[in-house]
Amino acid sequence: EAAVTQSPRSKVAVTGGKVTLSCHQTNNHDYMYWYRQDTGHGLRLIHYSYVADSTEKGDIPDGYKASRPSQENFSLILELASLSQTAVYFCASTAGTENTLYFGAGTRLSVL
Amino acid sequence: QEKVQQSPESLIVPEGAMSSLNCTFSNSASQSIWWYQQHPGKGPEALISIFSNGNKKEGRLTVYLNRASLHVSLHIRDSQPSDSAVYLCAVSGYNQGKLIFGQGTKLSIKP
Repeated sequence: EAAVTQSPRSKVAVTGGKVTLSCHQTNNHDYMYWYRQDTGHGLRLIHYSYVADSTEKGDIPDGYKASRPSQENFSLILELASLSQTAVYFCASTAGTENTLYFGAGTRLSVL
Repeated sequence: QEKVQQSPESLIVPEGAMSSLNCTFSNSASQSIWWYQQHPGKGPEALISIFSNGNKKEGRLTVYLNRASLHVSLHIRDSQPSDSAVYLCAVSGYNQGKLIFGQGTKLSIKP
């Protein structure tokens, strides 16, 4: 069974602070994704990666950085957290875009 | 920018009836179209995918794809209360590796 683990599961951050969300997969998948979910917006793509040490911008990359130091790990970094970044964040991995996408359980981020 | 639109936003269906969900996408060059199910507090899980024009049936699920009209639909036969969830349409094949989701349809099955 494919496994994607996100940490932390929930976090409260202060405005202007730095936040790092981590994702680890044990599936040997090349593709990894970060999405955010807000009510009424479905899943919006922030950053993605199809090979280690390389990341691509998604549809809403502003205010976010991504890091893929290895095939297994993919991090999302908020250098200066803002109120508008309060959301649920999902990490996902897949062997290829024609294959099933496996999601983590999500991280609920509240920026106060 | 690629667009994936789902309708309706929400749907209430009596138990045992057919549930029908719709999705339109903006790029005819898209590859596969996927449907994901998401229960409250959980990550989405893949249900079914389709690549070729026509229909695909798996159990109580049937998907219809019409590339000419950029439209795909999901039909759930004999809907059960456990089918109550948010359903997300996802489209691949834009830039390498990019997967775009619609905003979701909230399905509620009424016993």
